[in-house]
Amino acid sequence: SQQGEEDPQALSIQEGENATMNCSYKTSINNLQWYRQNSGRGLVHLILIRSNEREKHSGRLRVTLDTSKKSSSLLITASRAADTASYFCATENRGSTLGRLYFGRGTQLTVWP
Amino acid sequence: KAGVTQTPRYLIKTRGQQVTLSCSPISGHRSVSWYQQTPGQGLQFLFEYFSETQRNKGNFPGRFSGRQFSNSRSEMNVSTLELGDSALYLCASSLRADSTEKLFFGSGTQLSVL
Repeated sequence: SQQGEEDPQALSIQEGENATMNCSYKTSINNLQWYRQNSGRGLVHLILIRSNEREKHSGRLRVTLDTSKKSSSLLITASRAADTASYFCATENRGSTLGRLYFGRGTQLTVWP
Repeated sequence: KAGVTQTPRYLIKTRGQQVTLSCSPISGHRSVSWYQQTPGQGLQFLFEYFSETQRNKGNFPGRFSGRQFSNSRSEMNVSTLELGDSALYLCASSLRADSTEKLFFGSGTQLSVL
């Protein structure tokens, strides 16, 4: 499969703590993106990191990319109950035809008040 | 701007029937892609359209088809429904033609096949 894999599958933390999710993938990529999904709803784009970038920040989000290890991590700082959702990484694979992203299975994050 | 709109929100069908799902992208977006989401398989790519042309197709049987109209609205059709077709079907649109960045997703159509 060319899909990514997130780790852990589920994460439960208290409000105010940091949440770290990891993603591994198998092929060369153009970019890697993180999406969030609230239960039974559509996905919302959070952040994109290109293959020539190592780290990006957006608000409370920090994404890193290590292309030598084919892995990425998403850090959410000072988590809030409203951050409770599933988080997916998705890759645009190099050489892949346009319009297609490969999604991982997701990490279910629960933030307790 | 209005977001991506998918109709209907819920559908219940029986095996052997066919179904048509509709997606209206964000105004100005010409790329529309479809994904199937199930607990077992996760998010699986169905197909992508740009300017009424299918540019990419995932590994699904021919029962799954789609099209895009000149106003960029898209439909997907599933014929001869099977129990395993029960899933959340997500449509996404994007602005760029030359790369797959920042997809905007609709809320999905939850299809149940009985």
